[in-house]
Amino acid sequence: KAGVTQTPRYLIKTRGQQVTLSCSPISGHRSVSWYQQTPGQGLQFLFEYFSETQRNKGNFPGRFSGRQFSNSRSEMNVSTLELGDSALYLCASSLENRKGNEQFFGPGTRLTVL
Amino acid sequence: AQTVTQSQPEMSVQEAETVTLSCTYDTSESDYYLFWYKQPPSRQMILVIRQEAYKQQNATENRFSVNFQKAAKSFSLKISDSQLGDAAMYFCAYRTSNAGGTSYGKLTFGQGTILTVHP
Repeated sequence: KAGVTQTPRYLIKTRGQQVTLSCSPISGHRSVSWYQQTPGQGLQFLFEYFSETQRNKGNFPGRFSGRQFSNSRSEMNVSTLELGDSALYLCASSLENRKGNEQFFGPGTRLTVL
Repeated sequence: AQTVTQSQPEMSVQEAETVTLSCTYDTSESDYYLFWYKQPPSRQMILVIRQEAYKQQNATENRFSVNFQKAAKSFSLKISDSQLGDAAMYFCAYRTSNAGGTSYGKLTFGQGTILTVHP
């Protein structure tokens, strides 16, 4: 079974631009969570989607948004990029049922904001 | 809010030896899950081991085992017979088992411990 995939793997943007990152979960997983990883703040939860609905959101400004499609693929969008948005963005998928709630991570998208 | 603390920013071990990584957490909940994840230099996060708080038995996965002390809110990872491939950043993570609201999909991570394995 294929793992979680994320595209693109690397991205360079300038301040003020917007960016869209994509995540394809493991087949059969309906939950997708997004995390931001930085050296200073570590791993921080952004939001979680399940069956096209955002069920949970972390403490990030409204510039960070996401969505999930009917095939469970998810995208996150960051508008008006700031230098501090430079980070590794990880997505994780999960079954989110009694059989398991482990999250399986993708390789991440490295975003650099200049 | 739950917090997870890994007090060892870096650890090192000789190949074939045993090393223990520490993790403490703070929560007012009685039922939850704890995880150890490994993030090698390639950056892909991999689940190492999982512990359910209501289970008293410590989880074991091959060379990896945990020492779960619920009363002390401690969750350490022991790696036996360390291998060069074990070198990575290790994260301890907490997840509530309560359904609904702020629990969905959220893992709370510690700051990580960098493990170096010497040949």
